[in-house]
Amino acid sequence: DAGVIQSPRHEVTEMGQEVTLRCKPISGHDYLFWYRQTMMRGLELLIYFNNNVPIDDSGMPEDRFSAKMPNASFSTLKIQPSEPRDSAVYFCASRGLGYNEQFFGPGTRLTVL
Amino acid sequence: AQSVTQLGSHVSVSEGALVLLRCNYSSSVPPYLFWYVQYPNQGLQLLLKYTTGATLVKGINGFEAEFKKSETSFHLTKPSAHMSDAAEYFCAVSGSAGNNRKLIWGLGTSLAVNP
Repeated sequence: DAGVIQSPRHEVTEMGQEVTLRCKPISGHDYLFWYRQTMMRGLELLIYFNNNVPIDDSGMPEDRFSAKMPNASFSTLKIQPSEPRDSAVYFCASRGLGYNEQFFGPGTRLTVL
Repeated sequence: AQSVTQLGSHVSVSEGALVLLRCNYSSSVPPYLFWYVQYPNQGLQLLLKYTTGATLVKGINGFEAEFKKSETSFHLTKPSAHMSDAAEYFCAVSGSAGNNRKLIWGLGTSLAVNP
C-alpha cells in the first residue's frame, strides 16, 4: 500500500494567493482528517470527513479555509486568500474500518511570504 | 470532554539510558490511547495503542506503555535509548464510538538522545 499521499510536499506562495493542498487517503479508508502543525499551537485538527461527508469543521480557523472531498480517494484543503500566519505544515490522515489509529501522510510545508 | 497532558516538552537522555515520556489524560468515556512518533520533516507514525484488554502494550522499536486507569496515565518507556530514538513524541486519546473517535492530542515531547 502506498500510504497517504499528499501534494505538494512544499509550497511557497505570496500573501493573497490561493493555495490548494491535496490528499489521497489509503484505499478503503472511510475517514479523512486534515491537521495543521505549528510550533506555537502544536497539532490542530481542522476538519474531518466520514464517507466523503464533512463531520466536524469546528477547527477550521476562518472562512478563508475550505475543504472538500468529492470522492473517496481525493480531498483538497484550500486557503483563499493566504496570509503569512497560515504558514505551517499541513497533514492529512486517514482511518479505515476496523482500525482505531490514524495513518498520516508526509505533510505539506506551506510558507506564505 | 477529553484532554491530554504531556509532562515535559523536552526530555534529554543519554544513549543506553531509560526513556520515560509522561502522558496523563482525562476522559468521560473509556479511552483509547495512542503514542505517535514524528521524525524530522516526516509525518506521524503510530508507535503503539491501547484499546481494550492487556494494559501493558508493546509497540515498535522497543517502546511500551502501560494504561493505568487509577492514575489516568499512559506513560511511554523504553529500557535503553538509541540515537535513532531522537524525535517528537505525541500522546493522543479518543473515545470508542461516534464523534468521540476523533483524536485529542498532547502538545508533544521532544526527545534528545546524547552520545
